[in-house]
Amino acid sequence: AQTVTQSQPEMSVQEAETVTLSCTYDTSESDYYLFWYKQPPSRQMILVIRQEAYKQQNATENRFSVNFQKAAKSFSLKISDSQLGDAAMYFCAYRSLNTGKLIFGQGTTLQVKP
Amino acid sequence: DTEVTQTPKHLVMGMTNKKSLKCEQHMGHRAMYWYKQKAKKPPELMFVYSYEKLSINESVPSRFSPECPNSSLLNLHLHALQPEDSALYLCASSQGTRSSFADTQYFGPGTRLTVL
Repeated sequence: AQTVTQSQPEMSVQEAETVTLSCTYDTSESDYYLFWYKQPPSRQMILVIRQEAYKQQNATENRFSVNFQKAAKSFSLKISDSQLGDAAMYFCAYRSLNTGKLIFGQGTTLQVKP
Repeated sequence: DTEVTQTPKHLVMGMTNKKSLKCEQHMGHRAMYWYKQKAKKPPELMFVYSYEKLSINESVPSRFSPECPNSSLLNLHLHALQPEDSALYLCASSQGTRSSFADTQYFGPGTRLTVL
């Protein structure tokens, strides 16, 4: 069975600074998808970024980028130029292509300080 | 447009009540999901519908009854719930193409359920 681990329950960053959220996963599958979702206090789960395992190039979406290390089974999220609106709980998620299930990590709460 | 809508936003019910949660999407997605989320925890998958057919039931108690009347609509019927069922119930949808599960789930804002 696949597992996803986020080892940082809470993180904080100064506004305009850069922060990296960690995620590791365990799987025996060779092909899969990885996601970062953001859930602000208003609770809507929003997709931040997605990475296909077969792609070596790291995904980027504006100020958000990932460092995908397939061999190490690591998938960290870097947020550049942090903004107050980035404050939220961030979930790393693994999607099995076999079962279709989305497996979430425990989440990291990000605080952005003005 | 990646909008999934859910109604109601909040629901308070007694243990003997019957109520329903509603989820709707108009993105042409053919897979729809129900998740349960406790505070500060990740969502837990409950049910998956693919092409209006129930494809996954994660051993959810029968007091939760899902229904998918058409490809745009997903309901969750609630009956004889327990206080521990109080949680945020999230609906999600994805393209759900038959050839691949490699599609992204888009979530609704959720229904905050309180069982007294």
